[in-house]
Amino acid sequence: DTAVSQTPKYLVTQMGNDKSIKCEQNLGHDTMYWYKQDSKKFLKIMFSYNNKELIINETVPNRFSPKSPDKAHLNLHINSLELGDSAVYFCASSPQVGRGGLDEQFFGPGTRLTVL
Amino acid sequence: AQTVTQSQPEMSVQEAETVTLSCTYDTSESNYYLFWYKQPPSRQMILVIRQEAYKQQNATENRFSVNFQKAAKSFSLKISDSQLGDTAMYFCAETNFGNEKLTFGTGTRLTIIP
Repeated sequence: DTAVSQTPKYLVTQMGNDKSIKCEQNLGHDTMYWYKQDSKKFLKIMFSYNNKELIINETVPNRFSPKSPDKAHLNLHINSLELGDSAVYFCASSPQVGRGGLDEQFFGPGTRLTVL
Repeated sequence: AQTVTQSQPEMSVQEAETVTLSCTYDTSESNYYLFWYKQPPSRQMILVIRQEAYKQQNATENRFSVNFQKAAKSFSLKISDSQLGDTAMYFCAETNFGNEKLTFGTGTRLTIIP
């Protein structure tokens, strides 16, 4: 069974469209994350949720909106896609908040988003 | 602000040899954690090894070990008896205790040559 899964794995779309990426974890973790890896492989955190509540919100355009319907799911919706949004987006989870570093973050397989 | 620097964009080594990847970091916190993650061509991020800053002993995981120099803020990864499956991007990362935000370096692309 996959611990952290993301759908879709690949997403190709036109500029200006709206798209969503879904993430699910079956580890029973409280905390989930979205990371962006750009074309130079630089990985940077975007958001973090703990038990459906937003706890980290980095400097990300308002076009990006995370949604956590329950603690096992964290989706990322992107409005008005731009060329610069092309990247690999990783979802991750960890057991609980407040233990940063004590617990491993488990990553999903990533979603490669290509905006044409 | 936390920063993590990996000064070696690419490295290559013959199979079975030992290779060391460099990482330096900058944090004002006293209690923090350091990590090495591996990203093979499959894109999956895999935790290789973790070091707690308050522990003086260097972490080891089978063929992987670290050289943690706290005063120098240096955290290098040594891979012994390198294998073809070690070919991957390697990322150094840091976080403070209680902070869920992982700060990553820019990565080192390691190629193991048969």
